[in-house]
Amino acid sequence: TQLLEQSPQFLSIQEGENLTVYCNSSSVFSSLQWYRQEPGEGPVLLVTVVTGGEVKKLKRLTFQFGDARKDSSLHITAAQPGDTGLYLCAGETNAGKSTFGDGTTLTVKP
Amino acid sequence: GAVVSQHPSRVICKSGTSVKIECRSLDFQATTMFWYRQFPKQSLMLMATSNEGSKATYEQGVEKDKFLINHASLTLSTLTVTSAHPEDSSFYICSARAHVNTEAFFGQGTRLTVV
Repeated sequence: TQLLEQSPQFLSIQEGENLTVYCNSSSVFSSLQWYRQEPGEGPVLLVTVVTGGEVKKLKRLTFQFGDARKDSSLHITAAQPGDTGLYLCAGETNAGKSTFGDGTTLTVKP
Repeated sequence: GAVVSQHPSRVICKSGTSVKIECRSLDFQATTMFWYRQFPKQSLMLMATSNEGSKATYEQGVEKDKFLINHASLTLSTLTVTSAHPEDSSFYICSARAHVNTEAFFGQGTRLTVV
């Protein structure tokens, strides 16, 4: 069983602060996804990273895939209350099965 | 992005009854659909993977006779929770993908409450 550990599990910050969420595994993944989930809704895909060392930017969000394709990070610059939600990473194997991390609950206070 | 619709979004049932949840891909043909279970403030736990026209593959610890999955067409998969008990109360989410290595799109989830 491939495990993905996310940290921190909970994060509460003030508007305007920066934050980083980490997703670590001992397994190699063919790709890794980051999702954001609102209460009572399904996850929404933010980004997919495929290549080791890859960096992708989505407005104030920066995603990085580790060189060995075992870990990833999500950095949010100048967080806003609208960024509040559950952030999930998911690693996909060559067989097409995804394993989800434990999730990071982010609260951005105005 | 593609749309995956789950129905119902919320359901309350009595203990001992069965509940069926539908997952439909509205604008693409899904060769594979996944069913997840999520407890409050926790991550998604994969229950089973279903490929159209074949039996679902269940994850370890998931009772296949309790959680019946049918993927009879390329746009519809159903999850039936049989003889539901209060501990089955949870948020059930499906996702669907057209092919391996293509994006999986998630439904909006179904909140099941067993009383």
